[in-house]
Amino acid sequence: DVVMTQSPLSLPVTLGQPASISCRSSQSLVHIDGNTYFSWFQQRPGQSPRRLTYKVSNRDSGVPDRFSGSGSGTDFTLKISRVEADDAAIYYCMQHTHWPHTFGQGTKVEIK
Amino acid sequence: EVQLVESGGGLVQPGGSLRLSCAGSGFTLSSFYMGWVRQPPGKGLEWVAHIKEYGSETFYVDHVKGRFTISRDDAKNLLYLQMNSLRAEDTALYYCVRHAQDWGQGTLVTVSS
Repeated sequence: DVVMTQSPLSLPVTLGQPASISCRSSQSLVHIDGNTYFSWFQQRPGQSPRRLTYKVSNRDSGVPDRFSGSGSGTDFTLKISRVEADDAAIYYCMQHTHWPHTFGQGTKVEIK
Repeated sequence: EVQLVESGGGLVQPGGSLRLSCAGSGFTLSSFYMGWVRQPPGKGLEWVAHIKEYGSETFYVDHVKGRFTISRDDAKNLLYLQMNSLRAEDTALYYCVRHAQDWGQGTLVTVSS
């Protein structure tokens, strides 16, 4: 199985400051069709996960542009340009290039 | 608007069975690959099974193979997860997911004597 390793697992951030979460996969996520099926999800307390980005860097509808995804191959990053109070949540990376689809352990973003 | 509503969770004894349902609205379920993702209390996410669009090709994570069955009723726009031989470690909130994009609110399965 593809292992997804996130860092850090806990990220205290100050309102208005940037934040960055890394996700590394144990093998390349480039599919034979040329796409990279990698996504970031946000899960606020008591809520279902919400997809933020897909195919590495495409933002889902309604996701603020302060969220951006980047990366390739095995190394990926989620950046929040200016953290807002609403961004306090657990963030998960996920690959669905290979079966079984696998998630990272989650990164808890808390506002200082 | 896409909506996914799960049902069928509950308390079951080890070795027992449950069938989860997911009602889709705002889209045609058979046109998308649909999956079940679970989250044990206070823990992370695990993709358990999915069924490909249009056909009936299915995929399962190893530790549920032979015990869980994912299926669809296209006429009713419903997704199912039949869970047999349940174990304590299957205790989780089970989410229905459309194309890794849209998620339901989840249904809680508790396996305990």
